Amino acid sequence: AQSVTQLDSQVPVFEEAPVELRCNYSSSVSVYLFWYVQYPNQGLQLLLKYLSGSTLVESINGFEAEFNKSQTSFHLRKPSVHISDTAEYFCAVSDRGDYKLSFGAGTTVTVRA
Amino acid sequence: NAGVMQNPRHLVRRRGQEARLRCSPMKGHSHVYWYRQLPEEGLKFMVYLQKENIIDESGMPKERFSAEFPKEGPSILRIQQVVRGDSAAYFCASSPGTDTYNEQFFGPGTRLTVL
Repeated sequence: AQSVTQLDSQVPVFEEAPVELRCNYSSSVSVYLFWYVQYPNQGLQLLLKYLSGSTLVESINGFEAEFNKSQTSFHLRKPSVHISDTAEYFCAVSDRGDYKLSFGAGTTVTVRA
Repeated sequence: NAGVMQNPRHLVRRRGQEARLRCSPMKGHSHVYWYRQLPEEGLKFMVYLQKENIIDESGMPKERFSAEFPKEGPSILRIQQVVRGDSAAYFCASSPGTDTYNEQFFGPGTRLTVL
């Protein structure tokens, strides 16, 4: 099973500043990579995913993540955050073709004005 | 188009009682997954079910925990004789089919507190 490490448990950031959330996973075998976001009192929502192809993937609300196979990383970035980005963010990994997701412990992003 | 529904959202039990957690998958989804999130940890896979079948229960504790997904009605995660260590958030997810990649859609979770 994969092991997923999110290096930052809490990330406070000012509105319109950039943010980067780090994610590393344990294995270099073929993987699918995901970022989920959880807003207060809601379920996890898929933010973006890497299945194959371009190593840079983007979401519709300005987030992007880059798959780095050599560093086994899938860091999430946004150049300018909004108050509404305040949420908990989970990195998840599955071996290619496997349904089991392995999650990191989550990073809480708090955006302040 | 309702998403994955879980109830109750919060459940308090005393040690030794039973906890029943329910999950209604999205319409048209026949695959259900349960995950558990212990404090300060990521979600951990517990069990994967299809209608009337347990496909993979490799993440389930060997005792006291069981899951079902009957032909009619929600999926149920049942914890017998709860202990304090069972306190966690339990998330259910559903997916539509058997493609190589099936996106899992998550419910809001049930937060179980064992006193």
